[in-house]
Amino acid sequence: AQSVSQHNHHVILSEAASLELGCNYSYGGTVNLFWYVQYPGQHLQLLLKYFSGDPLVKGIKGFEAEFIKSKFSFNLRKPSVQWSDTAEYFCAVNAPGANNLFFGTGTRLTVIP
Amino acid sequence: ETGVTQSPTHLIKTRGQQVTLRCSSQSGHNTVSWYQQALGQGPQFIFQYYREEENGRGNFPPRFSGLQFPNYSSELNVNALELDDSALYLCASSSTGEADTQYFGPGTRLTVL
Repeated sequence: AQSVSQHNHHVILSEAASLELGCNYSYGGTVNLFWYVQYPGQHLQLLLKYFSGDPLVKGIKGFEAEFIKSKFSFNLRKPSVQWSDTAEYFCAVNAPGANNLFFGTGTRLTVIP
Repeated sequence: ETGVTQSPTHLIKTRGQQVTLRCSSQSGHNTVSWYQQALGQGPQFIFQYYREEENGRGNFPPRFSGLQFPNYSSELNVNALELDDSALYLCASSSTGEADTQYFGPGTRLTVL
């Protein structure tokens, strides 16, 4: 069965600091990888996704993620965070054609102005 | 383009009761998936509906059931509510052309007393 680990439960950064949130998954086959964000009081929004091709994926709001197959990782990065990035971030994985997403437990990001 | 909508926003029930949650898929989407998100956890897949048929199910008991209607909207029914059913219930929709990407609604917060 697939599983996703997000080891950082709560990350606190000052504005303009760089961000990297870890995501590791366990699955032996081909995977699709996603990062979703949940801003306070809002619904889950797709930040970026990786299906195939260039392992460095750029998403909305200046976020990017790198798929490293050998490490089963899909870490999320942003060079300079803003207060408005305060949110819960979820990494998710599914197998191509599968009907369900497997989510990590999420990382809460707090950005201090 | 209309996003995924869910109703009601909040619901309070007592143990043993039954509940029905509703979801309207994003325009152009024909597949609906339901997830349960307990406090402090990532969403967990309940089941998916495609062409009005259940198209995959997670590790949830039969008292969790669903329907999909010809207009692709969907219902989640939970019978014999238990305290542990208290959670945020998320609906996600996807299209055949972009089947592996799911877009989420705002959720229904269910509290079981």
